[in-house]
Amino acid sequence: KQEVTQIPAALSVPEGENLVLNCSFTDSAIYNLQWFRQDPGKGLTSLLLIQSSQREQTSGRLNASLDKSSGRSTLYIAASQPGDSATYLCAVRHNAGGTSYGKLTFGQGTILTVHP
Amino acid sequence: DGGITQSPKYLFRKEGQNVTLSCEQNLNHDAMYWYRQDPGQGLRLIYYSQIVNDFQKGDIAEGYSVSREKKESFPLTVTSAQKNPTAFYLCASSTRLALNYGYTFGSGTRLTVV
Repeated sequence: KQEVTQIPAALSVPEGENLVLNCSFTDSAIYNLQWFRQDPGKGLTSLLLIQSSQREQTSGRLNASLDKSSGRSTLYIAASQPGDSATYLCAVRHNAGGTSYGKLTFGQGTILTVHP
Repeated sequence: DGGITQSPKYLFRKEGQNVTLSCEQNLNHDAMYWYRQDPGQGLRLIYYSQIVNDFQKGDIAEGYSVSREKKESFPLTVTSAQKNPTAFYLCASSTRLALNYGYTFGSGTRLTVV
C-alpha cells in the first residue's frame, strides 16, 4: 500500500529565507509526483508536476526534485515571502489494482508560515 | 477559462437528510474524482469515474453515492447513512489515458451537519 509522508508538519520562517519541504513515499512504482498549494478554506492549486522519468521541475522561485529510487521528493522555495504562507501537499500518482486511471495518494501536508 | 466549478461553497445538512454536491468541469477531462479532507487526515478518495456511465468506489465510499450521466458533471450525494459527513469535499479531474498528466481540483464545498 502506498503511503506518503511529509516533513515537517509545520514550518515558520522569517521572510527572505530559502526553505525545503520534504516528501517521502513507500512504493517507488509511481507515474508522477505533484506538489499542490492550499490556502485556508480553498481548493488545491497545482504548483509542479514531475514525471517518474524526470529529476526536477522549476517554476519561478519553486524547484521540486524527485529521487524515485529512494522514494523522496523535495520542494525548494527561494526567497520566501508572506504570500507563500499556505499548506503544501505532496501527492503521488501510482498504479491502483490494475485500473487504468492510476490513483493519487496524498501526504498530510506541511503548514508554512512566512512572517514579515 | 477552463476549470472545475464546485457548488455550493458552504452546505448545511440536518440529521437524516441527503444532500448533493455539484461538480462541473469544462476541461474535456475523462476522469473525475471526489475527495474528502479532514483535519490531520489528508485527502481520502471517495469515488472516481473514468468515463461516462461508469464509476468506482474509492477508499471511503460508504454513505456516499455518485452518478456520471455527462462527461462534464460528477455530482456527489451524501446520504443519511454517512455517520460523520462534516468535512471539506474536493472534486478533481484528469485525462484518463494520459497518466503523465496531473490533476486539476475545484475550490471545494464545506459540509456541516447541524
